[in-house]
Amino acid sequence: QSALTQPASVSGSPGQSITISCTGTSSDVGSYNLVSWYQQHPGKAPKLMIYEVSKRPSGVSNRLSGSKSGNTASLTISGLQAEDEADYYCCSYAGGSTFVVFGGGTKLTVL
Amino acid sequence: EVQLVESGGGLVQPGGSLRLSCAASGFTFSTYSMNWVRQAPGKGLEWVSYITTWSSTIYYADSVKGRFTISRDNAKNSLYLQMNSLRAEDTAVYYCATVGNAYGMDVWGQGTTVAVSS
Repeated sequence: QSALTQPASVSGSPGQSITISCTGTSSDVGSYNLVSWYQQHPGKAPKLMIYEVSKRPSGVSNRLSGSKSGNTASLTISGLQAEDEADYYCCSYAGGSTFVVFGGGTKLTVL
Repeated sequence: EVQLVESGGGLVQPGGSLRLSCAASGFTFSTYSMNWVRQAPGKGLEWVSYITTWSSTIYYADSVKGRFTISRDNAKNSLYLQMNSLRAEDTAVYYCATVGNAYGMDVWGQGTTVAVSS
């Protein structure tokens, strides 16, 4: 199972909005509304930020939003803040024994 | 406090074995399916293995199938990963994580480091 495709890096200035794409196939992203997004700061464990394409766990900022169209999911962060600088990973359920597949990760830089 | 704590990592020679543990506290462990996820140095996240609440369903990534075995002991609130025939490419930080709503992994441990080298 190939990894989902994410841009290696994105950047934005404080207050701006950015979008990170996550492209899969009809076997994963395109077949299930079961995409999640994780934030990881250097040396730390990942943190769940979005699940089921667009739902936010309790305590996650409403500046983050998720969406999906066809085989591509997206994470949008509005009102960028310095604390948003981190690596972001998408993950999709892929069914059966393949279970889940991660994206390669995107490094977000807040300029 | 909801917490997962991994242990058991270390330096091992190629072909060797290690057993990782993940101790859960602050929640009802037996009601959660669990994942192991790893991250090689400087690389992204890679799902390794999945186990349901009472071990009825188990999955492995192709990269570890036949070499790794996931298990759990709900009485001890613990998850395990037995890793045999270790290879250099298994070098990574290994995380355990709960499987929550819609397969989102909502609680993660701090990770334990496995280094495979001669």
